[in-house]
Amino acid sequence: GNSVTQMEGPVTLSEEAFLTINCTYTATGYPSLFWYVQYPGEGLQLLLKATKADDKGSNKGFEATYRKETTSFHLEKGSVQVSDSAVYFCALSPYGANSKLTFGKGITLSVRP
Amino acid sequence: KAGVTQTPRYLIKTRGQQVTLSCSPISGHRSVSWYQQTPGQGLQFLFEYFSETQRNKGNFPGRFSGRQFSNSRSEMNVSTLELGDSALYLCASSLGVGLNSPLHFGNGTRLTVT
Repeated sequence: GNSVTQMEGPVTLSEEAFLTINCTYTATGYPSLFWYVQYPGEGLQLLLKATKADDKGSNKGFEATYRKETTSFHLEKGSVQVSDSAVYFCALSPYGANSKLTFGKGITLSVRP
Repeated sequence: KAGVTQTPRYLIKTRGQQVTLSCSPISGHRSVSWYQQTPGQGLQFLFEYFSETQRNKGNFPGRFSGRQFSNSRSEMNVSTLELGDSALYLCASSLGVGLNSPLHFGNGTRLTVT
């Protein structure tokens, strides 16, 4: 079956530090890959997505590249801000779909001033 | 524009009882999905509805059921509650079912089974 593995957390960084959150997946076929974010007190929201190999999703300064050869979709940001403090979830869905998501366990990011 | 609304926010039930949770999607959204979130298992897909039809179902026992009404509002029902059903239940809506229709999640209903 499908599965998503995220690095263990939590992660604490200073403002303007570089961020990498690792995500690897196991899936049959050609899944779509997503990063969702949950800010304090808010619902999950889509951060970025990639639908095929070598696609790069980007939003709000975050980027992730769909690497089929390493089955990875690592999230990166060059300079984090306090407002990036949130829980980040990596997820996949079957080919062509936006639902029936398989999520990773999530990782809490805290950015200190 | 109002977001996804889930009611109630909190619920306490006893083992063996049944419960119904409600989800009102964003206006115009026709697809509704449900997820269960627990500390141990994380987020797990329950089911998805589009235009009152169940499109997909996750690996949950038959005690978990749902439906969608003509106005796109959705309910999920859990019968014969077990302690392990204690979780945050999240509803998500989207315009459609393709990749260009991102999911919008509600804040969830926290169910505690005692």
